[in-house]
Amino acid sequence: GAVVSQHPSWVICKSGTSVKIECRSLDFQATTMFWYRQFPKQSLMLMATSNEGSKATYEQGVEKDKFLINHASLTLSTLTVTSAHPEDSSFYICSARDYLRGGDYNEQFFGPGTRLTVL
Amino acid sequence: RKEVEQDPGPFNVPEGATVAFNCTYSNSASQSFFWYRQDCRKEPKLLMSVYSSGNEDGRFTAQLNRASQYISLLIRDSKLSDSATYLCVFYSGNTPLVFGKGTRLSVIA
Repeated sequence: GAVVSQHPSWVICKSGTSVKIECRSLDFQATTMFWYRQFPKQSLMLMATSNEGSKATYEQGVEKDKFLINHASLTLSTLTVTSAHPEDSSFYICSARDYLRGGDYNEQFFGPGTRLTVL
Repeated sequence: RKEVEQDPGPFNVPEGATVAFNCTYSNSASQSFFWYRQDCRKEPKLLMSVYSSGNEDGRFTAQLNRASQYISLLIRDSKLSDSATYLCVFYSGNTPLVFGKGTRLSVIA
C-alpha cells in the first residue's frame, strides 16, 4: 500500500513551452501533497504544499505563476511548469501523506520523480 | 547556521566495514527525526525513524542526541547494496519535512 505515481518519468522540451507533471496516490487518499525540486548533488527543496480543493502554499522564492499547482481530487495533484527555461531543468518529486493510515503519521510517500530537461 | 548540516562525503568503505554518519539540526523545536535513503535518480525512501532512546533495525542503528542537536546513523557489516545517499530529515509540528543534502556512501568490493 501507500504507492505514489508520477507521470511522466522524464520529459525533454523546448524552451518556452509548458510541461505538466501528474502525481497520483494509487491506494490512499491524500489531502495534502508536496512538490519538491532537486538539483544535482543538492537536497530536496520544497516548492509548495498542495491541499485538495484549495490554493497551494508556495515556499519563498518559488513563483506561483510559473509553477501552477492544481489539487482537484484526493488522489491527484498536478504541477505545470509554464514557459520552461533551461534553468528549470531538474528532478521534480511529489509526495503525499496518508492521514487515514495508522502508524507513523509523519511519513510521506514519495513518487518516483520526473526528470525535466529544457533545451 | 544552516537548518540541517550533513557531511556530503563521499564515504568510500570496503564491504564488511562499519560506517557512521552524523547530522546536526538547528531548530530545537524539531520533534521527529528520520533517515531516508536515496538511490541515484530515484525518489527518497524512508529507512528508519530515530527515537530518543535509540533504535536498531538489523545492521542499522540510529541515535538522537537532543542536547547536542544531532542524529546519527551507524551501518554495520556494509553491503554493496548499501551504496546510496543517506538523507537526514526533521519535522516540527505541521511543517513540511526538512531534508539535509545527504551523505553519499560507496561500498567497495
